[in-house]
Amino acid sequence: GQQLNQSPQSMFIQEGEDVSMNCTSSSIFNTWLWYKQDPGEGPVLLIALYKAGELTSNGRLTAQFGITRKDSFLNISASIPSDVGIYFCAGLSNYGQNFVFGPGTRLSVLP
Amino acid sequence: GAGVSQSPSNKVTEKGKDVELRCDPISGHTALYWYRQSLGQGLEFLIYFQGNSAPDKSGLPSDRFSAERTGGSVSTLTIQRTQQEDSAVYLCASSLQGAGGGYTFGSGTRLTVV
Repeated sequence: GQQLNQSPQSMFIQEGEDVSMNCTSSSIFNTWLWYKQDPGEGPVLLIALYKAGELTSNGRLTAQFGITRKDSFLNISASIPSDVGIYFCAGLSNYGQNFVFGPGTRLSVLP
Repeated sequence: GAGVSQSPSNKVTEKGKDVELRCDPISGHTALYWYRQSLGQGLEFLIYFQGNSAPDKSGLPSDRFSAERTGGSVSTLTIQRTQQEDSAVYLCASSLQGAGGGYTFGSGTRLTVV
């Protein structure tokens, strides 16, 4: 079945640093989503991408839909402590009815 | 309601017992999904309901798992004869119509089988 890979699996950064993470697949997807999950909560949608090459921002977050349609990237600028959490990518294929989720990138921000 | 509501938030059960997990989606959302998140893992698709169509059960891991959605609103996920490997967070999500615009998730039910 379809699978997504996320890297890095985890990262420790200093407050104020920029963060980059990515999501790759062997399959083509038509929609990419990025979610953030805080401990004990459900994932919350951050950014949705619908077109290859699309670059979308949400505050300090910027995500891109890769031109091959097999990958997506999320950047966080000037990280703050509340950015701590697990970031999931999710992809929807042309004929899919449900999103496939990656295993997540766990972000820790050191003061 | 304002968000997706799941109950209970935590459930501890003995191996072999049946459990029922409830999801109350956002009012007006026709699509409802159940996912499972094992410790430190990503989200595993279980089942999808869309309106009055037959549900997509392709993600259910065994015949001990079943789900229903009554009146196009509230959904119940039932796990029969629970096993320790069923321990996980069970997340419900809903969307306005199909998956395209992304889901809104509930806070999940943390199931522990002892």
